[in-house]
Amino acid sequence: NAGVTQTPKFQVLKTGQSMTLQCAQDMNHNSMYWYRQDPGMGLRLIYYSASEGTTDKGEVPNGYNVSRLNKREFSLRLESAAPSQTSVYFCASSQDYRTMSGANVLTFGAGSRLTVL
Amino acid sequence: GNSVTQMEGPVTLSEEAFLTINCTYTATGYPSLFWYVQYPGEGLQLLLKATKADDKGSNKGFEATYRKETTSFHLEKGSVQVSDSAVYFCALKAGSARQLTFGSGTQLTVLP
Repeated sequence: NAGVTQTPKFQVLKTGQSMTLQCAQDMNHNSMYWYRQDPGMGLRLIYYSASEGTTDKGEVPNGYNVSRLNKREFSLRLESAAPSQTSVYFCASSQDYRTMSGANVLTFGAGSRLTVL
Repeated sequence: GNSVTQMEGPVTLSEEAFLTINCTYTATGYPSLFWYVQYPGEGLQLLLKATKADDKGSNKGFEATYRKETTSFHLEKGSVQVSDSAVYFCALKAGSARQLTFGSGTQLTVLP
């Protein structure tokens, strides 16, 4: 009963290094999301994928790229990490964004804590 | 645009005290409203939701009522426990929006 699985859980990078955060869900959900969580700012949407084959920018997309590899997997890439990207990153999924108000709501992973020095 | 405003924390209460965490929103149309809870070291979990005006969401002793006239969705619990210590997020989904809009979160600590 895994739900949403994120890797890695912790990562320390130097400024300018690149890395990819991996996310996979086993609930056959159509929509997937990447959020970042910063103190006092709540969760802010970076990118989302409404369905397989599509991706769209959220509130704070600069400095990030995403890939919806297949229906299960949605990765987030930092090409050249900056200290401002130090944050906790959450992947989430939902059955379908159009029905999120009903029984199908967001299911979150446990988070990935990234520190950029 | 859509936005959610939560009371600032942190909130510290003694066990069995009454809890209120205020949440107000701005949205187009009639959004669905949610409370999520984040326990230490974990991701967010849905606590309760309400999809139309005057609906009351409830779960684990927590309640929140969708008040369209005051654009509010305040979270309440009559008697908190130490295990309720967590960060609580209010969120909304407005109409055809493809994602949730979250508030900034309220840290609750319950002391024995």
